Amino acid sequence: EVLLVESGGGLVQSGGSLRLSCAASGFTFSSYWMHWVRQAPGKGLVWVSRISLDGSTISSADSVKGRFTISRDNAKSTLYLQMNSLRAEDTAVYYCARGAAASHFGYWGQGTLVTVSS
Amino acid sequence: QSVLTQPPSVSAAPGQKVTISCSGSSSNIGNNYVSWYQQLPGTAPKLLIYDNNKRPSGIPDRFSGSKSGTSGTLGITGLQTGDEADYYCGTWDSSLSAGVFGGGTKLTVL
Repeated sequence: EVLLVESGGGLVQSGGSLRLSCAASGFTFSSYWMHWVRQAPGKGLVWVSRISLDGSTISSADSVKGRFTISRDNAKSTLYLQMNSLRAEDTAVYYCARGAAASHFGYWGQGTLVTVSS
Repeated sequence: QSVLTQPPSVSAAPGQKVTISCSGSSSNIGNNYVSWYQQLPGTAPKLLIYDNNKRPSGIPDRFSGSKSGTSGTLGITGLQTGDEADYYCGTWDSSLSAGVFGGGTKLTVL
């Protein structure tokens, strides 16, 4: 069974930092592109960032470029999102998702809530 | 404002059929596959349709997808109360080099 479990969310002040983790199991982690998608309270889905199988190719949404960094540790089957200079508008549930390079997201984690107080 | 445009809400009676549209442009839907996701209240999104019209294993054939030009469509037949959820379309935008989603459509089964 494919399982993605996010952790690391919480309450942080504006300008602060958080590191999210996504532990993967039930599949060969190193064989898939991985993504972060977020959803502000009561709002829709917004793609955040993606990383290639070996971590050599990374893309991010303009809204987080220069502030958020996606990375992965294939030996630990874990995806990360380092979030710096957090803003109130970054408040959202953050989901990790297994996907193709530029296609669909086949499996999603349960999400972790990040709340940025101003 | 979302890159892809969906109707905010649709409704239909149990047993009936409903379609949800997703409008984009040549840089996204026009040149990339469309996928659809179902998000039940309080849960994570779930993949319903990928590559325009393919269903993952376990997704009933009541759900279907199609694409024409720069628009995609999700169809749901034999509506059940358990289908009440938010539905999102998604694709890749080659110009933005970013994943994009529609704003979501809330389905109400009356």
